[in-house]
Amino acid sequence: DTGVSQDPRHKITKRGQNVTFRCDPISEHNRLYWYRQTLGQGPEFLTYFQNEAQLEKSRLLSDRFSAERPKGSFSTLEIQRTEQGDSAMYLCASSLGPYNSPLHFGNGTRLTVT
Amino acid sequence: AQKITQTQPGMFVQEKEAVTLDCTYDTSDQSYGLFWYKQPSSGEMIFLIYQGSYDEQNATEGRYSLNFQKARKSANLVISASQLGDSAMYFCAMILPGSARQLTFGSGTQLTVLP
Repeated sequence: DTGVSQDPRHKITKRGQNVTFRCDPISEHNRLYWYRQTLGQGPEFLTYFQNEAQLEKSRLLSDRFSAERPKGSFSTLEIQRTEQGDSAMYLCASSLGPYNSPLHFGNGTRLTVT
Repeated sequence: AQKITQTQPGMFVQEKEAVTLDCTYDTSDQSYGLFWYKQPSSGEMIFLIYQGSYDEQNATEGRYSLNFQKARKSANLVISASQLGDSAMYFCAMILPGSARQLTFGSGTQLTVLP
């Protein structure tokens, strides 16, 4: 169990640029989640995959955001035409088992849009 | 819709003392789960403890225990014998079976352990 891995740890980009983040879940976990956390707040749900299927998307996930999980392994989260309001920590988590199984989180990717 | 409230933005505790972090929740569902996570300054969310709505006993994990009062809709975290390494942000979270497996988090409590 090597834990959930996220890359990069930090990303600074200019407004209007596209960015892509990667998440490698714990290998046997079939569920993968993306959350966004702004300073001083708890994480907010963005989207959820079971294997390769994206089963739920939050209303927070505007059409500039897209997430994929090809082959049910790693996942990518892309933000197009970044805005300053996108600056946040993006957390990935994975889990296995029933709905109340703990989520295992990665260290996050901190995005700063200038 | 479910909601988690953590009313203590910051807490201080002396090393080796016990501390209670408050969490209240709101849901009309009978079946739900409650979690506590710890987030050090490094950013990683670390799972601490879980309590199911039908669990009759309060959950315990080492120095962590969850004081579950269902009628009051509270799920307070008790940390015994605080250590300097316990200084971190602590989040209470809830999950519902039909919620597409999404956790709803509170706004957190920043705990500082004093030497």
